[in-house]
Amino acid sequence: DGGITQSPKYLFRKEGQNVTLSCEQNLNHDAMYWYRQDPGQGLRLIYYSQIVNDFQKGDIAEGYSVSREKKESFPLTVTSAQKNPTAFYLCASSIGRGGNEQFFGPGTRLTVL
Amino acid sequence: KNQVEQSPQSLIILEGKNCTLQCNYTVSPFSNLRWYKQDTGRGPVSLTIMTFSENTKSNGRYTATLDADTKQSSLHITASQLSDSASYICVVSAASGTYKYIFGTGTRLKVLA
Repeated sequence: DGGITQSPKYLFRKEGQNVTLSCEQNLNHDAMYWYRQDPGQGLRLIYYSQIVNDFQKGDIAEGYSVSREKKESFPLTVTSAQKNPTAFYLCASSIGRGGNEQFFGPGTRLTVL
Repeated sequence: KNQVEQSPQSLIILEGKNCTLQCNYTVSPFSNLRWYKQDTGRGPVSLTIMTFSENTKSNGRYTATLDADTKQSSLHITASQLSDSASYICVVSAASGTYKYIFGTGTRLKVLA
């Protein structure tokens, strides 16, 4: 069953804690992305990766970090430096570079207590 | 500046009625335009893709149009159903070959019985 999965679905974090959001895909896609979605705003790109062991900052990378050690996995860490981390986080993947269809995971809702 | 604007922001219609959602973009150079459907708390799912040479494309009760000259697209939903209640997001890809996907803020559609 091919697809892209995210875990956990809901995540609660205390201020000052780092948390890691998981994203896995078995679509054999080279490119993976992390987006943040806030009410009334379009999806904003946090980080993207076009190949293993390489990733680039998106428009709102401050306070976030990623790794891409395996083609299938692209975890996102929300650090304590992110001032307003409460949001819905979406991971996506695509076959290659821009223009190809992005397939999205089900999302993780992060709430800071 | 590359931008995608959608209208209306929200829309309420009765079940069985038709509706049209609008997307205007200023992305250049243009590669393609996609419409996604996003159910509440879920990841977006692609409905249609429009390339420069395509004017109309249908996917069941969804019909997308593209006017590349005026840089406008529309998504027409015929005979709406309760399950059509969702946010509809217009995404335009730039042809530069990089990761650039420009997201609109979406139209939130509510279909009432």
